[in-house]
Amino acid sequence: QVQLQESGPGLVKPSETLSLTCAVSGYSISYDYYWGWIRQPPGKGLEWIGAIHHSGTTFYNPSLKSRVTVSIDTSKNQFSLKLRSVNAADTAVYYCARTQELAYWGQGTLVTVSS
Amino acid sequence: QAVVTQEPSLTVSPGGKVTLTCGSSTGAVTSGQYPYWIQQKPGQAPRTLIYDTSNTHSWTPARFSGSLLGGKAALTLSGAQPEDEAEYYCLLSYSGVGVFGGGTKLTVL
Repeated sequence: QVQLQESGPGLVKPSETLSLTCAVSGYSISYDYYWGWIRQPPGKGLEWIGAIHHSGTTFYNPSLKSRVTVSIDTSKNQFSLKLRSVNAADTAVYYCARTQELAYWGQGTLVTVSS
Repeated sequence: QAVVTQEPSLTVSPGGKVTLTCGSSTGAVTSGQYPYWIQQKPGQAPRTLIYDTSNTHSWTPARFSGSLLGGKAALTLSGAQPEDEAEYYCLLSYSGVGVFGGGTKLTVL
């Protein structure tokens, strides 16, 4: 069974960088599929952030592209999100997922941006 | 960036039928946008019901189906159950970049 688990700080200061990692078990991310990040501000809808293939191909939400990097580490079977220069509007539950078919989601991790 | 539109809210009677739709600001929704339908209940992580217009996962109840209808993606629920009350999100792909709709709050009443 494929499982995804997000990890990272739950609190980030404004203007700093949000960094999250998604550990994948039950499937080797070097085989296939795109893997990515989706977020949901409290009480609001879902927002697609970006996705990456093991080949290195990436796709990013244009509204976040200047601040986002999604990277992949096939040796650790995990992928990561970095969001730079965060502000309060970046406070959200961050989900990692296998973005093709969207069959598998992590449970989500709340990241709060506050000083 | 494209805008994906959904009905803000819909109500269906138990046992009834309802269709949720998903439109695109760029024109008719096509199968090449791989429409997804995602269900989210309060306090829970999202769960994908439909992908690639009409494909279901093993956990998708048979009463849910996806299609293209009148230039939009559609999610039809036939025989609504109380447990189907939830927020439903549509997701479309624009050359690899995903865009979510604002969600439809479905009430079973």
